[in-house]
Amino acid sequence: AQKVTQAQTEISVVEKEDVTLDCVYETRDTTYYLFWYKQPPSGELVFLIRRNSFDEQNEISGRYSWNFQKSTSSFNFTITASQVVDSAVYFCALRMSNTDKLIFGTGTRLQVFP
Amino acid sequence: KAGVTQTPRYLIKTRGQQVTLSCSPISGHRSVSWYQQTPGQGLQFLFEYFSETQRNKGNFPGRFSGRQFSNSRSEMNVSTLELGDSALYLCASRRDLQETQYFGPGTRLLVL
Repeated sequence: AQKVTQAQTEISVVEKEDVTLDCVYETRDTTYYLFWYKQPPSGELVFLIRRNSFDEQNEISGRYSWNFQKSTSSFNFTITASQVVDSAVYFCALRMSNTDKLIFGTGTRLQVFP
Repeated sequence: KAGVTQTPRYLIKTRGQQVTLSCSPISGHRSVSWYQQTPGQGLQFLFEYFSETQRNKGNFPGRFSGRQFSNSRSEMNVSTLELGDSALYLCASRRDLQETQYFGPGTRLLVL
């Protein structure tokens, strides 16, 4: 069975600190997709990043970067120089190749204080 | 380009009633999925549709149903509402051959 675990329930940082959100996933499939979504208080899930199982290259996009390691089944997400507007709940999600079904973790609430 | 739209945004119903929620995907997106979000169960998959066909269904009772129209718009229906159906219902759409789903603002349903 597939599963996503976000062990960090809540993280608090002060503005300009870097913060890393952890995500561990389980699947026996060889082709899958991993996502990070942000959910502000308004409720809408905002897409942040996607990684395919066959592409372990890690990248940086603005203040966001991610570390995908198949050997440890981890897909961690880092925000550099956090800002108050980054305060939200962040969800890691897993999807197999033959379905649109997203399997979500329980989310990590990030609070960035000025 | 307009995003995924969901109507209504807020809804209050009483136990035993039924409700219909609507989702209009991003133009050109033919895949639509629905999710339920509650504090206790988190984000759970309800069903997915493609070209008017339900391709996959989550572990929900038969009171939860849905459909997709030829213009890709989708509706979900919950009959005989229970208090536990109070939740944020999110709809997402995806374009063919692309892997990312984009979500709408959700419908907040409160069952009294």
